[in-house]
Amino acid sequence: SQTIHQWPATLVQPVGSPLSLECTVEGTSNPNLYWYRQAAGRGLQLLFYSVGIGQISSEVPQNLSASRPQDRQFILSSKKLLLSDSGFYLCAWSPIHTSSYNEQFFGPGTRLTVL
Amino acid sequence: GQSLEQPSEVTAVEGAIVQINCTYQTSGFYGLSWYQQHDGGAPTFLSYNALDGLEETGRFSSFLSRSDSYGYLLLQELQMKDSASYFCAVMSRDSWGKLQFGAGTQVVVTP
Repeated sequence: SQTIHQWPATLVQPVGSPLSLECTVEGTSNPNLYWYRQAAGRGLQLLFYSVGIGQISSEVPQNLSASRPQDRQFILSSKKLLLSDSGFYLCAWSPIHTSSYNEQFFGPGTRLTVL
Repeated sequence: GQSLEQPSEVTAVEGAIVQINCTYQTSGFYGLSWYQQHDGGAPTFLSYNALDGLEETGRFSSFLSRSDSYGYLLLQELQMKDSASYFCAVMSRDSWGKLQFGAGTQVVVTP
């Protein structure tokens, strides 16, 4: 069966500090991978989307970046965090042969607070 | 562009029926999905509609009318554990492989 891991679960960082969040998927090959951010009480905002190693689509211009160094590893980074980067970060995957069904499977999330 | 609208909150008592509406505006529409998210947790998939009509999965049903750009999620025999946020999400030809999520509807179930 497939599983998706995210870490850390919670993170408190000062403004201007760097960020690295990691997501790994097990039990599947060539998944589509996604990074979302969710503000408190709000919907999911798609940040990055990847269909393969080194292939990243940025959905929202901001000071975040993403990388996919391995097939089942997706990393979200920032060089200098802003207060507005606070939120709940969710990684998700879907099967490579995406149909209109496109069921996405979410990781447990990282709650980031920037002070 | 794409937009989705759903109510922000619905309150109901245990055993009742709740309908969460979702209207969308999107070009190249393919299908409408529903996800459930408990407070502090990850979203989980509930249902999907690509064609007009009703899809039933246990106590939950989802409906789609493509001509009206409208769908709903029906929660029957409400239980306390159904207290959560529910999101509709659209898949479109213009953004293949990606979902556009609504802002979510918080369902509060009271005893």
